[in-house]
Amino acid sequence: GAVVSQHPSRVICKSGTSVKIECRSLDFQATTMFWYRQFPKQSLMLMATSNEGSKATYEQGVEKDKFLINHASLTLSTLTVTSAHPEDSSFYICSALSLFRLASSTDTQYFGPGTRLTVL
Amino acid sequence: QKEVEQDPGPLSVPEGAIVSLNCTYSNSAFQYFMWYRQYSRKGPELLMYTYSSGNKEDGRFTAQVDKSSKYISLFIRDSQPSDSATYLCAGAGGTSYGKLTFGQGTILTVHP
Repeated sequence: GAVVSQHPSRVICKSGTSVKIECRSLDFQATTMFWYRQFPKQSLMLMATSNEGSKATYEQGVEKDKFLINHASLTLSTLTVTSAHPEDSSFYICSALSLFRLASSTDTQYFGPGTRLTVL
Repeated sequence: QKEVEQDPGPLSVPEGAIVSLNCTYSNSAFQYFMWYRQYSRKGPELLMYTYSSGNKEDGRFTAQVDKSSKYISLFIRDSQPSDSATYLCAGAGGTSYGKLTFGQGTILTVHP
């Protein structure tokens, strides 16, 4: 099946620093990528929808100036957590929609392995 | 009210048992329904995908959707210890292209 990678898999940083997380679709082109956040023992919460070449669409309650999203190409989207604080510590997961099956897009949404962010 | 409700469990069953996992949803626009399996500290893995109402079977897994009651189910036959994971249901459809709404997830443990 299609593969989505995330880098880094784990990051620990000091409060106030910025952290960049990469999401790559390795063997397909993704017009749309999604960013989720998952707290322990909770479900995935959609943060934003990232479309190649345009601005991301953020879900209600998600600060766009804090969580910067760049979808520079059809295979790469980045999430930058700016001025991270301990409450930003979470598991961040991306998913990617395949370009070539738009008629039934949902079943071709592939998830990355996640990035665990710990802010001290 | 959450758009997708799922009992978080935890659910513990003996090896070989039939497992029944359930979700309810409130968004009438949902047309696609998915079940994902998530192992600890990993991304979700798509298990089953169903469009509209009906049943779908894949090996030991059967997904059911009843749109009239807004109820979705996943059955696992002959459960194995390797099935121990968190199972997430999700719905999608309507105008929100590609967006998934997840349930809370049910933690399943299959013990030998």
